Amino acid sequence: QVQLEQSGGGVVQPGRSLTVSCAASGFTFNSHAFHWVRQAPGKGLEWVAVISNDGIIKQYGDSVKGRFSISRDSSKKTVDLQMKSLRSEDTAVYYCARDANEGTGHFDYWGQGTLVTVSS
Amino acid sequence: EIVMTQSPATLSVSPGERVTLSCRASESVSNNLAWYQQKPGQAPRLLISRASTRATGIAVRFSGSGSGTEFTLTISSLQSEDFAVYYCQQYHYWPPATFGQGTRVEIK
Repeated sequence: QVQLEQSGGGVVQPGRSLTVSCAASGFTFNSHAFHWVRQAPGKGLEWVAVISNDGIIKQYGDSVKGRFSISRDSSKKTVDLQMKSLRSEDTAVYYCARDANEGTGHFDYWGQGTLVTVSS
Repeated sequence: EIVMTQSPATLSVSPGERVTLSCRASESVSNNLAWYQQKPGQAPRLLISRASTRATGIAVRFSGSGSGTEFTLTISSLQSEDFAVYYCQQYHYWPPATFGQGTRVEIK
C-alpha cells in the first residue's frame, strides 16, 4: 500500500536551518511528483513546494522562495525539504504529499506530518 | 493567485442530516477542484478530484459538483466519522495550488 513516512522536524531557533524528510513506499516512486504542504497551528493549508517526477522542475511558494529547497533521491525513494533562515512564521506541521497524476497539482496521499517549531 | 472562499466557516449538524458545503474561486478553475477531509491530529485525505470524481475508497455519500467558480461538496447522510474540517483546493492555475480556509462540520 502507498505509504509516506515523514521524519525530521523539531524545535529550531530563528535564522537556523532544518531538513524534513519523506520516505515513500508501495508505488513507483519515479512516476510521481511530490509536494510539501504546511499548516500553521490552528490554521488552514498552505502549499509550499513541488518537485517533478524526474527532479528537474522545482517550484516554491512566495513565502519560502529563496530559503527552502526541495530535493529527491530515487535510489532511497525519499523527498527532502531543506529549510534555511527559518522564521517564527514558518512554525507549522509540514506534510509531504504525492501528486495524484502527472503533476496535476492535487494530492492523493499524504504523510503523517511533522511539526517544525521556530522559537528562541 | 486564485483565492478560494469556503462557506460557511462552521456548520452544526445532526447525524443523518444532509450537508452542503460551498467553495468559490476568484476566477474560473474549470473542473480542476479537489476536496479534502481533515480530522484533528491527522493529515488531510483526498475525497474528490476533478470537482466530482470520488477518490479510491471514498463512501458514495460524498459527492461533488460544480465547475468554473462555484463548487459544492454534499454529504447525503452525515455519519459520526464525518465530523471534520473540509477544504477545497484549486489546481487549475498553479503554482501555487491554493486552498480555501476550510469548513468545520461539528455535531449539533
